[in-house]
Amino acid sequence: EAGVVQSPRYKIIEKKQPVAFWCNPISGHNTLYWYLQNLGQGPELLIRYENEEAVDDSQLPKDRFSAERLKGVDSTLKIQPAELGDSAVYLCASSSGVGTEAFFGQGTRLTVV
Amino acid sequence: AQSVTQLDSQVPVFEEAPVELRCNYSSSVSVYLFWYVQYPNQGLQLLLKYLSGSTLVKGINGFEAEFNKSQTSFHLRKPSVHISDTAEYFCAVSFMEYGNKLVFGAGTILRVKS
Repeated sequence: EAGVVQSPRYKIIEKKQPVAFWCNPISGHNTLYWYLQNLGQGPELLIRYENEEAVDDSQLPKDRFSAERLKGVDSTLKIQPAELGDSAVYLCASSSGVGTEAFFGQGTRLTVV
Repeated sequence: AQSVTQLDSQVPVFEEAPVELRCNYSSSVSVYLFWYVQYPNQGLQLLLKYLSGSTLVKGINGFEAEFNKSQTSFHLRKPSVHISDTAEYFCAVSFMEYGNKLVFGAGTILRVKS
């Protein structure tokens, strides 16, 4: 069974440029998470989807960040424009429902220069 | 607010010694508890989980954890560590009253020395 797939693995962009990250969750998993992980810190939730509905986006900086999950499967996280402070690892995870563990992708390491 | 506290940012220990990594969470009616491990340049992997039943749960690689509801803790233990256990360990709590919201602690770096 394929795990959570994220792309790209690494991205370097100049500040003020846009960037997008893609996530393909495990087949059949209704819940999808996007987390941000800064160096030396734990993952911080950005947004959580149940199927195609964003049920928790309170930590998503909506002035520059957006996300979508079309048809309740793949998801895209976008930053426009990127700032130096956005440099971090962006993690995608999925789970099959309440009380089940979240499976994580390898993450996308973003460097904004 | 939902929060998870890992009390130690780094834990150095000699090989074959026992270790305990501590985790406390903000009080909540119903929680599910997880420990994840992250090796350098790798993704997060599940070590173990507590959903219900026995408060002592066993995971992979010889790790175990004990759920203490009165102290709102879920400490991770291993009786004898190996060099290969060097990694960062994250405690995560799913707060059910907030609809399966999964919150992570800041992590504890376990450094096993020979």
